Amino acid sequence: DIQMTQSPSSLSASVGDRVTITCRASQDIRNYLAWYQHKPGNPPKLLIYAASSLQSGVPSRFSGSGSGTDFTLTVNGLQPDDVATYYCHKYGSAPWPFGQGTKVELK
Amino acid sequence: EVQLVETGGTLIQPGGSLTVTCTASGLSLSTTFMSWVRQAPGKGLEWVSSIYPGGDIHYADSVKGRFVLSRDNSKNTLSLQMNGLSAADTAFYYCARFRIYGFDSWGQGTLLTVSS
Repeated sequence: DIQMTQSPSSLSASVGDRVTITCRASQDIRNYLAWYQHKPGNPPKLLIYAASSLQSGVPSRFSGSGSGTDFTLTVNGLQPDDVATYYCHKYGSAPWPFGQGTKVELK
Repeated sequence: EVQLVETGGTLIQPGGSLTVTCTASGLSLSTTFMSWVRQAPGKGLEWVSSIYPGGDIHYADSVKGRFVLSRDNSKNTLSLQMNGLSAADTAFYYCARFRIYGFDSWGQGTLLTVSS
């Protein structure tokens, strides 16, 4: 089965910083990759789909890139509201694993 | 407006069985690709099971043979029957709608605790 590996597992950044999270698939998944933001007490929120498409209503400071096995989520200008855990997720054919998550905190 | 409400989570002893249910409004489950995703305390998101509109069902290896996903089109509900429960199954269980490119609607989750 395909495994999804995220890095780093956690990071600390200042307001306004550019933050980058990477996700690597163990096999080619083309662009069947989504990114979610998850805050405690709330369900996850879809940010990016098809590796680089911004979900409606998501701030433009979020962007995604990549295809095949290597993907990146970038936050340009971190805001206090962005403190959360971020997950990549492989879809398409079963199974549909998530990455292990990246916890983003404010410095 | 799409609304998904999970119910049925509770405290149950190891080895026990439990069914959690997702009740949907604003969409028809019979024509929607739906999934269960869980999050154990302090852990990440884990895909559990999915059902296609045509009825094809898939399970994560961690629950295969123990969990059974079913759908009641007349009640517009999705049920996850969980057997042989262990502490490793303790988690918030979310149902979520998948639309071509991602899980775009989620319930608030229901908490299952497996403990003696």
